[in-house]
Amino acid sequence: QVQLVQSGAEVKKPGASVKLSCKASGYSFTTYYIHWVRQAPGQGLEWMGIINPSDGYTTFPQKFQGRVTMTRDTSTSTVYMELTSVRSDDTAVYFCAREFDPGSMQGAGYWGQGTLVTVSS
Amino acid sequence: EIVLTQSPGTVSLSPGESATLSCRASQHVASSFLAWYQQKSGQPPRLILFGASNRATGIPDRFSGWGSGTDFTLTISRLEPEDFAVYYCQQYDTSSGVTFGPGTKVDMK
Repeated sequence: QVQLVQSGAEVKKPGASVKLSCKASGYSFTTYYIHWVRQAPGQGLEWMGIINPSDGYTTFPQKFQGRVTMTRDTSTSTVYMELTSVRSDDTAVYFCAREFDPGSMQGAGYWGQGTLVTVSS
Repeated sequence: EIVLTQSPGTVSLSPGESATLSCRASQHVASSFLAWYQQKSGQPPRLILFGASNRATGIPDRFSGWGSGTDFTLTISRLEPEDFAVYYCQQYDTSSGVTFGPGTKVDMK
């Protein structure tokens, strides 16, 4: 079965970087795009960007351009998301999520369990 | 960027009643790229509908969706106890990417 297993919780000081992982299994890793979505405490969902595991091509909303990097390791079926210069309002649960249909951009049918990132001095 | 607005913010209903949730876009959204998610506390979101009206795998037929252009609706008929959750609409646009609405909470009365 499709599984996305994310790395554990992180605590970072303001200005630091955080790199999260999302290990995929149960399907062909390079066939489906993976999104990163975050959710601040008590808030809604915020899209951070998408990576095509086949070629590593990424797209980010303007808000995160220059601060977010997404990479993938096809040998381990893992995608990574690095956020730099973190600040208190980056405190959130970060989810990776897989498109349910290859290349369709119609919705994320599979989600990781989420990783809590806490930014505190 | 396409902004999605959802209403109401919260709706309080009893099991067995129906819920009608609205999602309005600031610009035209292709129906193919309009999705709905359900999220329960402490869990990741769950895809409910894609393409505005197509149920995702395993979603019961009491969930239905329709709409086009800038106005989309999710209807949950005969609410079951497990349906009480927050519902988000999401759109994809080639120029601005993915955006989510702020969510509608379906509360048990």
